[in-house]
Amino acid sequence: DAMVIQNPRYQVTQFGKPVTLSCSQTLNHNVMYWYQQKSSQAPKLLFHYYDKDFNNEADTPDNFQSRRPNTSFCFLDIRSPGLGDAAMYLCATSRVGSETQYFGPGTRLLVL
Amino acid sequence: QKEVEQDPGPLSVPEGAIVSLNCTYSNSAFQYFMWYRQYSRKGPELLMYTYSSGNKEDGRFTAQVDKSSKYISLFIRDSQPSDSATYLCASSGGTSYGKLTFGQGTILTVHP
Repeated sequence: DAMVIQNPRYQVTQFGKPVTLSCSQTLNHNVMYWYQQKSSQAPKLLFHYYDKDFNNEADTPDNFQSRRPNTSFCFLDIRSPGLGDAAMYLCATSRVGSETQYFGPGTRLLVL
Repeated sequence: QKEVEQDPGPLSVPEGAIVSLNCTYSNSAFQYFMWYRQYSRKGPELLMYTYSSGNKEDGRFTAQVDKSSKYISLFIRDSQPSDSATYLCASSGGTSYGKLTFGQGTILTVHP
């Protein structure tokens, strides 16, 4: 089945220790998104890729970076995680021109 | 003011009840309206998708959009314990990349 896969499902890191979360998709969608969802809050868009074009939301902290080496994979790098970065990180994909996004299962990040 | 407002609940109903979930939005550029279901510690799953005003029915689920009042609704008939989840409304439009703006989510519990 075509899907969006995120690894790992759970990640524990230490305050200030860089961490990378990964997302892969078999849907062959052009657009990939990263969202942050804190407990009992709405998912918040961090950035998205349209093919290789990276687009940052204006209020996304510089601490968050992303890479998309090819159509299938996208990475979220948190350079110096703080306690406030503990959240669920969701990856989503969509076809160009479609408003429908397909989400992965998420990676729950814990910062100690 | 948040662009999409949603009562977080929680909402608890007996099995078989009709459930009504609602959102309001403020951005007149929104043209696309979705409902996502999110089970605990999982990614959001697209449930219903509506373009502009009107109704859409899919099995036990009916989505309604009233653009004149900027009101979005989801009705669940004959609710089941398996419907217990968080329901997120989302809207998009006015951007070139399908940015979704989510409501906070309503926690629904259907008890046997």
